[in-house]
Amino acid sequence: AQTVTQSQPEMSVQEAETVTLSCTYDTSESDYYLFWYKQPPSRQMILVIRQEAYKQQNATENRFSVNFQKAAKSFSLKISDSQLGDAAMYFCAYIGQGGSEKLVFGKGTKLTVNP
Amino acid sequence: ETGVTQTPRHLVMGMTNKKSLKCEQHLGHNAMYWYKQSAKKPLELMFVYNFKEQTENNSVPSRFSPECPNSSHLFLHLHTLQPEDSALYLCASSQQGGRSKNIQYFGAGTRLSVL
Repeated sequence: AQTVTQSQPEMSVQEAETVTLSCTYDTSESDYYLFWYKQPPSRQMILVIRQEAYKQQNATENRFSVNFQKAAKSFSLKISDSQLGDAAMYFCAYIGQGGSEKLVFGKGTKLTVNP
Repeated sequence: ETGVTQTPRHLVMGMTNKKSLKCEQHLGHNAMYWYKQSAKKPLELMFVYNFKEQTENNSVPSRFSPECPNSSHLFLHLHTLQPEDSALYLCASSQQGGRSKNIQYFGAGTRLSVL
């Protein structure tokens, strides 16, 4: 079964600085998607960024970028120029293309942004 | 309003009550999901509906009963719940088919407290 591990329960960053959130996953599939979702206090789970496993180029969305290391099964999220509005729970998630289309989540990392 | 809407936002119920959670998606998607989010645990997938047909029941107790009357609406009927069922219940939707599938869009959830 696929698993997603986020080893950092909590992280903090100074406003305008850069922070990296870690995620590792375990799978035997070769074709899959990886996601980072953000859940602010409003509770709405918001998609931050998506990576397709067959693409070698790391995905970027404005201040958010990933470091996708397929061989190492690592998928970290880098937030540049951190803003107060970035404070939230961040969840890494995996979904395979091999039939069972379950989205598997990590336990999350709580990010605090200090002014 | 666009996106995925869940009502009510908060619900308090006794163990003998019967209540229902409602989810409506305005994205034209053909798949809908119920998730349970408990403190310090990863999101747990409960049910999946594709084209109104239930395709996944993740060993959920029968006191939770889903209903999907059409591809835009999803309900979760609750009866004789236990205090450990207190959690945030999240609804999501996605468009199945093509490489853009598997991006799930979430509602803001219903915070359920069982007394």
